[in-house]
Amino acid sequence: QKEVEQDPGPLSVPEGAIVSLNCTYSNSAFQYFMWYRQYSRKGPELLMYTYSSGNKEDGRFTAQVDKSSKYISLFIRDSQPSDSATYLCAMSRGNEKLTFGTGTRLTIIP
Amino acid sequence: DGGITQSPKYLFRKEGQNVTLSCEQNLNHDAMYWYRQDPGQGLRLIYYSQIVNDFQKGDIAEGYSVSREKKESFPLTVTSAQKNPTAFYLCASTSNREFMFFGPGTRLTVL
Repeated sequence: QKEVEQDPGPLSVPEGAIVSLNCTYSNSAFQYFMWYRQYSRKGPELLMYTYSSGNKEDGRFTAQVDKSSKYISLFIRDSQPSDSATYLCAMSRGNEKLTFGTGTRLTIIP
Repeated sequence: DGGITQSPKYLFRKEGQNVTLSCEQNLNHDAMYWYRQDPGQGLRLIYYSQIVNDFQKGDIAEGYSVSREKKESFPLTVTSAQKNPTAFYLCASTSNREFMFFGPGTRLTVL
């Protein structure tokens, strides 16, 4: 079993819809949770960062962490075609080494 | 502008050839990493270095080698021992639990 599980998709939704992306994990020592966005043939860029449990909002993006369920989510409101990308979850114990999910490929249909 | 540069963007290798991928950062980060990305497999850690002149194997180090002679530079050599080297290679860096930043990547193709 992988430490971090992420549905690879692909996921296609119409423009303006709310998108929900999720990851589950097995290592209860993870404390730092991140979401990266990766456009085709580009390096990943950090989108959201959360420490421990709770919610964090940044514009149209909301990250949620539920440590009791070992489940993290990224919500995208009012989705735009420019949100079409692969979204990678990542997490760490705080020792700088990150463990990544496989990524979910998202397409927003105009 | 601070950031991570990788070169070349595209690289072609013949069978039996060693090739070296360049990674340079001007973020003054202590730790640097090399990941390999294949479709459907996410990012897999090849090597990492937390300090100059020291580095550790990641999960898939076989067939690869690295050096860390300068804080800014962490080149990766893909040797002929790596049997399936075609992939997208990403270099990254962090410092004192700051966020991990990635370079733009190098796409290596074996001919």
